[in-house]
Amino acid sequence: DSGVTQTPKHLITATGQRVTLRCSPRSGDLSVYWYQQSLDQGLQFLIQYYNGEERAKGNILERFSAQQFPDLHSELNLSSLELGDSALYFCASSVGASSYNEQFFGPGTRLTVL
Amino acid sequence: DQQVKQNSPSLSVQEGRISILNCDYTNSMFDYFLWYKKYPAEGPTFLISISSIKDKNEDGRFTVFLNKSAKHLSLHIVPSQPGDSAVYFCAAPDTQGGSEKLVFGKGTKLTVNP
Repeated sequence: DSGVTQTPKHLITATGQRVTLRCSPRSGDLSVYWYQQSLDQGLQFLIQYYNGEERAKGNILERFSAQQFPDLHSELNLSSLELGDSALYFCASSVGASSYNEQFFGPGTRLTVL
Repeated sequence: DQQVKQNSPSLSVQEGRISILNCDYTNSMFDYFLWYKKYPAEGPTFLISISSIKDKNEDGRFTVFLNKSAKHLSLHIVPSQPGDSAVYFCAAPDTQGGSEKLVFGKGTKLTVNP
């Protein structure tokens, strides 16, 4: 158990819909990262928040947005969903802001868009 | 543009033998590398890392070798155990472009047969 929790575990929705994925980092960790893992792909970095502020951005679509709240939990919002958005979405957390820090991953949310 | 490449999607070895997982990278600015292990239905967990100032790092049955001139690293598991069966990801922090992020390979699925 990494200490990172993600809800829900599974999500099935239709094209055009909007969903919200939630992540609670390990106690004491200030950074939250979001990754997408599509079929046969490695983990693609989407976005990082550190202590409530956006820290780094990867290949995140404009239809996707995220935020980190004062209690440090984070939400990833996916809108106007397309079939290709079906993937595993992982949240990770770390103590510091640097990507050199060890990241602790949650179990992921499997999103299926029908 | 895949900066970290794991060209073998899968590897099968016998229990007790050596497992060698390979990773190539294209960015000569990378100075730190990590290996993560992932079991089904779980998030990746950190396994071992190596700094570019070293060419070898060992942790129990796991050893990572770095060949900077070839832009190649490998993870050796000796002896392999059935519990090592998992997907292994190679990763490196990418600090270019003003936005630091961890880039991952696509992973190699290791199966250790009893």
